[in-house]
Amino acid sequence: GEDVEQSLFLSVREGDSSVINCTYTDSSSTYLYWYKQEPGAGLQLLTYIFSNMDMKQDQRLTVLLNKKDKHLSLRIADTQTGDSAIYFCAESWGGGADGLTFGKGTHLIIQP
Amino acid sequence: EPEVTQTPSHQVTQMGQEVILRCVPISNHLYFYWYRQILGQKVEFLVSFYNNEISEKSEIFDDQFSVERPDGSNFTLKIRSTKLEDSAMYFCASSPQGVGNTGELFFGEGSRLTVL
Repeated sequence: GEDVEQSLFLSVREGDSSVINCTYTDSSSTYLYWYKQEPGAGLQLLTYIFSNMDMKQDQRLTVLLNKKDKHLSLRIADTQTGDSAIYFCAESWGGGADGLTFGKGTHLIIQP
Repeated sequence: EPEVTQTPSHQVTQMGQEVILRCVPISNHLYFYWYRQILGQKVEFLVSFYNNEISEKSEIFDDQFSVERPDGSNFTLKIRSTKLEDSAMYFCASSPQGVGNTGELFFGEGSRLTVL
């Protein structure tokens, strides 16, 4: 079945770039997503990328997709304290099925 | 801004008791979901619901689970006889289009269920 793996913690200094990595298994995924969860809040969609794209940029966020290696990354430029959260990678099920498979989430810790 | 709301935020129950978790999805959304996250583990899909019926469900969603949309606004998850391993954060989500059409999922803040 589908599986999504990501490291549990990432610590970066304020102002540096953060790169959160994810690997997935389902090659038929149509879309891949990054969700953000702040303390006490639900998951919020940050960005998504269609599987036939290599890169997507949205302000401070850059998503890179290596479909051959089934590797997805999220780069946050100029990381701020407000970026401190858990970041979840997710893949959509293939074939138009209606579900997402999430990773465990990466805790992004910002050092002053 | 419209949001998905969930109640209760935290429920503690005894093993074997029935629990109902409630969700009010965003009003013009058509697709509804329940996910759960056991502490330290992945966010897992439970069930999706469209047009007043279940469209997908996972292996976790066995006979002790049920969902209902009793009126035009609420979407509930019932666990008939809770087990210790049902302790988790349960997230409700809704979407205007469904995931298959890259519809964004809008999540609630979650209901934490603790089974003793």
